[in-house]
Amino acid sequence: DADVTQTPRNRITKTGKRIMLECSQTKGHDRMYWYRQDPGLGLRLIYYSFDVKDINKGEISDGYSVSRQAQAKFSLSLESAIPNQTALYFCATSDGLYSNQPQHFGDGTRLSIL
Amino acid sequence: DQQVKQNSPSLSVQEGRISILNCDYTNSMFDYFLWYKKYPAEGPTFLISISSIKDKNEDGRFTVFLNKSAKHLSLHIVPSQPGDSAVYFCAASAQAQGGSEKLVFGKGTKLTVNP
Repeated sequence: DADVTQTPRNRITKTGKRIMLECSQTKGHDRMYWYRQDPGLGLRLIYYSFDVKDINKGEISDGYSVSRQAQAKFSLSLESAIPNQTALYFCATSDGLYSNQPQHFGDGTRLSIL
Repeated sequence: DQQVKQNSPSLSVQEGRISILNCDYTNSMFDYFLWYKKYPAEGPTFLISISSIKDKNEDGRFTVFLNKSAKHLSLHIVPSQPGDSAVYFCAASAQAQGGSEKLVFGKGTKLTVNP
C-alpha cells in the first residue's frame, strides 16, 4: 500500500463546481503539503501544514483552501473551479522531527476543468 | 522570478555513459538541495540531497555536486541505465526562509537513456 494516497486519481469537472482532493498518509509525518504541476512549470506550493492546528499559504494559494482533519489527512478544495486550475496536483509529507528531511509524494490527482 | 533553474528541458544519453543534469539557483539563502525523479503517472521520488556545508554527496550511481560560489549544482549518474529515463527535478530550501520544508522546484529535465 502506498504511504501517501491521493483520491481521486483523475477528475473531470465543470467551471464553477466545488472540488475536493483528498490526501491521506500512513507515514506518521507531521508535515503535509499540496503542490500543483503545470507543463513546463515544475511544482509550485499551494498550502502546507506543520501540524493539525497550523496551516500556511504557499506560493499560489489564491482560489484554494485546505483542511487538516487529522495528522494523517489533508484535503485541498477548489470552491469554484476555473479552467486555469486544470493541472496535476500532488500531496507530500515530511518528518518534522528532524530538519532537512525529504518530502514524500503521492502519485497525484489529474484535474481537468472544462 | 525563478529561483531554481534547470535550463535543459531534455537530455539524451547512451546506456552505460554518464548523465549530467544541471541546476542553477539565485537565492543565496538556500542551504539544502535535493533531486527528485519522476516517472509518468507517478509522484516525484526523492533521489539524493546535499547540505550547503558539503560540496559532494554520493549514493551508489548517483552523485550530487554543489558549487556555492557559482550557485550551481549537478547530478551525475554513472553508469546510466534505461530505467533512469525520467524527469528530474532540482529543489532547494532555505532554513532561514520558512525552513527546510519549503521547497522551491526547478522546471525539470527529461532524461532519456537509450539502450
